Amino acid sequence: AQRVTQPEKLLSVFKGAPVELKCNYSYSGSPELFWYVQYSRQRLQLLLRHISRESIKGFTADLNKGETSFHLKKPFAQEEDSAMYYCALSGHGGTSYGKLTFGQGTILTVHP
Amino acid sequence: KAGVTQTPRYLIKTRGQQVTLSCSPISGHRSVSWYQQTPGQGLQFLFEYFSETQRNKGNFPGRFSGRQFSNSRSEMNVSTLELGDSALYLCASRWGQFTDTQYFGPGTRLTVL
Repeated sequence: AQRVTQPEKLLSVFKGAPVELKCNYSYSGSPELFWYVQYSRQRLQLLLRHISRESIKGFTADLNKGETSFHLKKPFAQEEDSAMYYCALSGHGGTSYGKLTFGQGTILTVHP
Repeated sequence: KAGVTQTPRYLIKTRGQQVTLSCSPISGHRSVSWYQQTPGQGLQFLFEYFSETQRNKGNFPGRFSGRQFSNSRSEMNVSTLELGDSALYLCASRWGQFTDTQYFGPGTRLTVL
């Protein structure tokens, strides 16, 4: 079974402060991990994909297979980062075709 | 390229009725996945279609069904609606047959009265 856990439902920081959104996963194999973001009144959109190792909007995420974690980090939060963030996992093989398993999401609020 | 589109954007139905939702993927994408989003359960996978074939199905009752056409457009159908079916239904498309980034539509908000 595959599972994604985001332990924080709400996270508040001040502008310019570092932010870390936690994500832990459970999967027997090598999954693909994603971070999706949903800004107010907008559709769900991809923020990061672990395989690409890119930094998008200043966010980075490192896959730690030993701790089965994929935490999202940004050194200096901006007000426009306020949104709902979802960590998602994609497995391999028949029962995983086209299936993303999402965490419950973390609402990030960046205060001025 | 135009993004994933879903129609209608809002629907109100009564218990016992059935409903059909439509999804047009990004041009060239052959895989379409459907998800149900509710405040209590979050985002849950319904099913995935690739080249008109359902390849995967989530843990939902048989009242939830879908299909995909030769142009990759997809529909999902919910029969005998229940109050608990009220949700935002999202579809997502991707290019590849296997693991690849999924691009989401805006969703159809279904309210069952």
